[in-house]
Amino acid sequence: EDQVTQSPEALRLQEGESSSLNCSYTVSGLRGLFWYRQDPGKGPEFLFTLYSAGEEKEKERLKATLTKKESFLHITAPKPEDSATYLCAVLPGGGADGLTFGKGTHLIIQP
Amino acid sequence: GAGVSQSPSNKVTEKGKDVELRCDPISGHTALYWYRQSLGQGLEFLIYFQGNSAPDKSGLPSDRFSAERTGGSVSTLTIQRTQQEDSAVYLCASSPLGRGETQYFGPGTRLLVL
Repeated sequence: EDQVTQSPEALRLQEGESSSLNCSYTVSGLRGLFWYRQDPGKGPEFLFTLYSAGEEKEKERLKATLTKKESFLHITAPKPEDSATYLCAVLPGGGADGLTFGKGTHLIIQP
Repeated sequence: GAGVSQSPSNKVTEKGKDVELRCDPISGHTALYWYRQSLGQGLEFLIYFQGNSAPDKSGLPSDRFSAERTGGSVSTLTIQRTQQEDSAVYLCASSPLGRGETQYFGPGTRLLVL
């Protein structure tokens, strides 16, 4: 069974304090790994797609990396507006078309 | 351009009633997905459309749930004889062609079954 585990469940940082969020996955043939940001009361907002081990993508203060077993979302010098729940999802191989999501990491950046 | 839109934003219904939730995907996107997000749970895949066809209905939790898509655009998710455990946020997403492409989500419909 495809499985995605995100850690930590919650993280509180001071503004400017860099850290990493982890997404471990077990999937039969990975076709893609996706990171989303979700603000309260809103739908997930797309951040990154990673397709193969060793791939990295960056956007502003965020950088996503991928290995064969996990992905990291690195947040450098975060600001309060980076506070949100960060979701990781995988698209398994074979005929499945729906994403399998982790439960997310709730990130709070304190000024 | 316009993103995925969903209506209504919120829906309160009584147990046993039927509800219809609507999704308007991004213009030109052929793939459309429905997910459910319950309190304390991750997003759960329900159904996938490619055009008007639904090749993957594997996530529908029971036969009370059904969905259709017309004209390769608007989709409706119908829940019959609602139960309290159906209370959740129902999210719709679309992608240009599906099959590994990025899915873009709408704001969701918050359903409360009393």
